[in-house]
Amino acid sequence: DAGVTQSPTHLIKTRGQHVTLRCSPISGHKSVSWYQQVLGQGPQFIFQYYEKEERGRGNFPDRFSARQFPNYSSELNVNALLLGDSALYLCASKLGYRPNYGYTFGSGTRLTVV
Amino acid sequence: TQLLEQSPQFLSIQEGENLTVYCNSSSVFSSLQWYRQEPGEGPVLLVTVVTGGEVKKLKRLTFQFGDARKDSSLHITAAQTGDTGLYLCAANKNNAGNMLTFGGGTRLMVKP
Repeated sequence: DAGVTQSPTHLIKTRGQHVTLRCSPISGHKSVSWYQQVLGQGPQFIFQYYEKEERGRGNFPDRFSARQFPNYSSELNVNALLLGDSALYLCASKLGYRPNYGYTFGSGTRLTVV
Repeated sequence: TQLLEQSPQFLSIQEGENLTVYCNSSSVFSSLQWYRQEPGEGPVLLVTVVTGGEVKKLKRLTFQFGDARKDSSLHITAAQTGDTGLYLCAANKNNAGNMLTFGGGTRLMVKP
């Protein structure tokens, strides 16, 4: 079975531009979350979606938005990119909504803003 | 200030040595998870602990959840070079839905 797949794997953008990152969860997983991992730090929670509804939002500005599609895939959008948005963006999926289920993470999208 | 404090931040040991890494907080958690992350990859779940005082073993790795569900430890026996990586603890706060809060990580290097 395919794991969590993210695209693209690497991306270079200029300040002020917009970016869309994509995630396909494991088949059957209805919960998708997005995390930002700055170099040298642990991941920071951005969004969680379950059954196409936003179920949680971290402490990120409104420039960050996301959505989940009927096939449970998800997109993360970031507008007006800043240098500080450079990070590894991780998507994670899990089978159900209960907190005790473990997440399966994708390999991430490495975003560099210049 | 991180909600979850991990220590040490860096650890370099020889193959065959034992080590313990810690994950501490002042908050109570409904569950706590340990992940290992290698360069260029996402974190991989190692274990979930739910009950205060719980101990789980995964081959040479032993995980313990504190009695008050505020802290956890990971002990590795006879470390191998393949154990090298970033070890992350992550937890769900009570009544915080599914938002995982991660610690800053312990970067472990096991030298041959």
